[in-house]
Amino acid sequence: NAGVTQTPKFQVLKTGQSMTLQCAQDMNHEYMSWYRQDPGMGLRLIHYSVGAGITDQGEVPNGYNVSRSTTEDFPLRLLSAAPSQTSVYFCASSRRGLREGTEAFFGQGTRLTVV
Amino acid sequence: DQQVKQNSPSLSVQEGRISILNCDYTNSMFDYFLWYKKYPAEGPTFLISISSIKDKNEDGRFTVFLNKSAKHLSLHIVPSQPGDSAVYFCAASRSGAGSYQLTFGKGTKLSVIP
Repeated sequence: NAGVTQTPKFQVLKTGQSMTLQCAQDMNHEYMSWYRQDPGMGLRLIHYSVGAGITDQGEVPNGYNVSRSTTEDFPLRLLSAAPSQTSVYFCASSRRGLREGTEAFFGQGTRLTVV
Repeated sequence: DQQVKQNSPSLSVQEGRISILNCDYTNSMFDYFLWYKKYPAEGPTFLISISSIKDKNEDGRFTVFLNKSAKHLSLHIVPSQPGDSAVYFCAASRSGAGSYQLTFGKGTKLSVIP
């Protein structure tokens, strides 16, 4: 059971470069999301999707784009990387909205450093 | 404004004793609460949850208590084991459109000493 798979696990970018963080899930979950974790800040929601073709912004969306063309994949794009985007990024999925019995499953994370 | 607060960054407990992790929230619209456990270099894993219509939920060694009037919840681990050593995050969501969003606390690092 793969669950939620994130690639790459580590990445170093130069300021101004662009890149895409990949996220795939094999559980046929409707809902997918991206969080970032910074030291002492917990996890903060960047963008989320409630199904193919539907995305919305979370708490910290600036500097990131997302799209959801299939149920399985939810890539996160950094258009022009900045040092403030140095963080650990987690992708998560769940069957539907987060109610009892529908907990979110997280990937192992992508550690991104922008220099 | 932090809506979910975990005021203890760390906690040390002897093996076999009870671990109590606390969480406070300010948004009265939150009606579903979850605890996640996170080991280093891994993603968070779901531990236990509770709906606002309940005041207690148990799953094996883990029990979550919710006091809605005080906007406070706690996670009890009994007995604590060395493998429980991890960072524990409290998270909350609300009904409707908010049910797709988790608001996390900053986490509490639990160390269980053998």
